[in-house]
Amino acid sequence: NAGVTQTPKFRILKIGQSMTLQCTQDMNHNYMYWYRQDPGMGLKLIYYSVGAGITDKGEVPNGYNVSRSTTEDFPLRLELAAPSQTSVYFCASRSPGGSSYEQYFGPGTRLTVT
Amino acid sequence: GQQLNQSPQSMFIQEGEDVSMNCTSSSIFNTWLWYKQDPGEGPVLLIALYKAGELTSNGRLTAQFGITRKDSFLNISASIPSDVGIYFCAGQLDFGNEKLTFGTGTRLTIIP
Repeated sequence: NAGVTQTPKFRILKIGQSMTLQCTQDMNHNYMYWYRQDPGMGLKLIYYSVGAGITDKGEVPNGYNVSRSTTEDFPLRLELAAPSQTSVYFCASRSPGGSSYEQYFGPGTRLTVT
Repeated sequence: GQQLNQSPQSMFIQEGEDVSMNCTSSSIFNTWLWYKQDPGEGPVLLIALYKAGELTSNGRLTAQFGITRKDSFLNISASIPSDVGIYFCAGQLDFGNEKLTFGTGTRLTIIP
């Protein structure tokens, strides 16, 4: 049981390039989230999904896109990278029942846009 | 957007000391959460609070949901080296709302 895995761990992009951050969970969780964490700041929600085929915007969705074709995967797409998107990106998941607010986080992807 | 004010921003303590930190908001929250983040890792949930006035412990950690519902407190007793990290509070405005608001974090360093 690997939990939440994210790839890549690190990436440097040039302005205008695109990339997809991968997130996979093997806990059969319905709910999945993408956050960004800027230096010295708390996490801000980019997008979330309550199940396959359903996504919704969080607090800072501009410049990003997501899809959820399976329960396990929730990729985050940056189409035209900008320096303001330099950040650490965390994916998280949770089960809707039990301790429903216990989100399990992946180890993060550190992205630099230059 | 909404932000939670956490204080202090950083703490330097000696092993064995107790630690107190707090989180305040201008809005009322229905749920308060405390997370710890180790370097290079994602946050891990420590304690969840669901009711105003609630006091909950998890080992040496104790957290309280403020009576006004606009603040929360975390105490760590008898700190040990593995307590080093960044502690984040998070609040949820409405039950069923998936959006958590995170604080700016308190960085805890233990001086040998």
